[in-house]
Amino acid sequence: AQSVTQLDSQVPVFEEAPVELRCNYSSSVSVYLFWYVQYPNQGLQLLLKYLSGSTLVESINGFEAEFNKSQTSFHLRKPSVHISDTAEYFCAVSLNYGGSQGNLIFGKGTKLSVKP
Amino acid sequence: GAGVSQSPRYKVAKRGQDVALRCDPISGHVSLFWYQQALGQGPEFLTYFQNEAQLDKSGLPSDRFFAERPEGSVSTLKIQRTQQEDSAVYLCASSLRDKPYEQYFGPGTRLTVT
Repeated sequence: AQSVTQLDSQVPVFEEAPVELRCNYSSSVSVYLFWYVQYPNQGLQLLLKYLSGSTLVESINGFEAEFNKSQTSFHLRKPSVHISDTAEYFCAVSLNYGGSQGNLIFGKGTKLSVKP
Repeated sequence: GAGVSQSPRYKVAKRGQDVALRCDPISGHVSLFWYQQALGQGPEFLTYFQNEAQLDKSGLPSDRFFAERPEGSVSTLKIQRTQQEDSAVYLCASSLRDKPYEQYFGPGTRLTVT
């Protein structure tokens, strides 16, 4: 069975500081990897994804994540956070094989709180 | 275009009542998923449709939970004889057939059972 672990339930950080949100996964088969963001009172939004190719993926708002197969990790980073980045971030995996129905397996989430 | 919509956004039910939660997926999206998100937890898979066919209902927690998508578009998640442990946010997501893992989520329905 697959599982996703987000070790930090809450991460407080000051504005303009760097941040890393950690994600580790367990799977006996190949997976796709995702980060979703959930702003207060809003639905989940896809932030970035790793399907294949370059192990470093970037979002349009400055976040990046690196797939590390040996460490089974997909940590999310941003070099300088803004107040508007305050949200809950979920790491997720989906099985990567032909015919997979694609349902996502989520971690428990990390609440990022950016303080002025 | 329009995203995934869900209604109602909030629902309060007394224990034992039946509820019906609606999901309108993005037009043209063949795949539809329901997830349950308990307080402080990540979403957990409930069931999956491809068009009108329910191909996986392994995540439904009990036989009180029932989902349908009769015309391959709108879907309804029904919970019979609600219990307090059913209190959660119910999320619907849709995706294209060839990219089922790239899911677009609705805002969710927050169900509170009193």
